[in-house]
Amino acid sequence: DVKVTQSSRYLVKRTGEKVFLECVQDMDHENMFWYRQDPGLGLRLIYFSYDVKMKEKGDIPEGYSVSREKKERFSLILESASTNQTSMYLCASSPLAGRPDTQYFGPGTRLTVL
Amino acid sequence: AQSVTQPDIHITVSEGASLELRCNYSYGATPYLFWYVQSPGQGLQLLLKYFSGDTLVQGIKGFEAEFKRSQSSFNLRKPSVHWSDAAEYFCAVNNAGNMLTFGGGTRLMVKP
Repeated sequence: DVKVTQSSRYLVKRTGEKVFLECVQDMDHENMFWYRQDPGLGLRLIYFSYDVKMKEKGDIPEGYSVSREKKERFSLILESASTNQTSMYLCASSPLAGRPDTQYFGPGTRLTVL
Repeated sequence: AQSVTQPDIHITVSEGASLELRCNYSYGATPYLFWYVQSPGQGLQLLLKYFSGDTLVQGIKGFEAEFKRSQSSFNLRKPSVHWSDAAEYFCAVNNAGNMLTFGGGTRLMVKP
C-alpha cells in the first residue's frame, strides 16, 4: 500500500513565525502535491513537484514556498505565517509525471495561526 | 478554466436508503474523473475513477458512478447506505497532466 505521511496532525503557530510542513511518501512516486482544504471550497492546489528540485505553482501559491531535495520528501514552507493561513493542509503523491493518475493522500495537518 | 461543481453541500439519508451525489464539471477535453471520500480527521481515499471505456464504473465500498458526457456529469451512487458511509465526498477532474481540480465537497449524514 502507498503510504503518505505528514509530520504533524495538529500545529499551532504565532503570526510571523516560519512554519515547515513535511510530507514523505514511500512508493517512489514522481509527483507530489500540497493542498489546503477549507470548508465549502474543497481542496485547492498550492504547489506541486514532478521531480527533485522541480516545482510548479498551483492555484494559490501566494504566501507559500516548497522544497523537494529528495524524491520521497516534499516540504511546504510558510515564510511568515498569517491568520488567514489557518487551514487543513493535505499532501498527496502520484506515480508518473505528466500522466493523469490516482493521487494518494496523507492524513493532513491542521494548522492554526494565532 | 476547468471547474467542478457539487451542488449539494449537505445531504442526509436514512440508513438503507439509496444515495446519489451530484457532480458537474466544466472541461474542454476528455476528462479524467475521480470520486474521493474523507472520513472525519482523515485524508482522502479514492472511491473510483473514470479514464475511458465503460461509462459506468464500480468502486470500493459498493459505490458506482456514471459518466454522462452530454450532461457533463459524474454522479456517485450507492443502492443502500450504511452508517459508516457518513463522510465528506469530493468529486475531482484531472486537467492537463497531473493536476486535480476539486469540487467543494458534499457532506453526507446517515440517519439510523
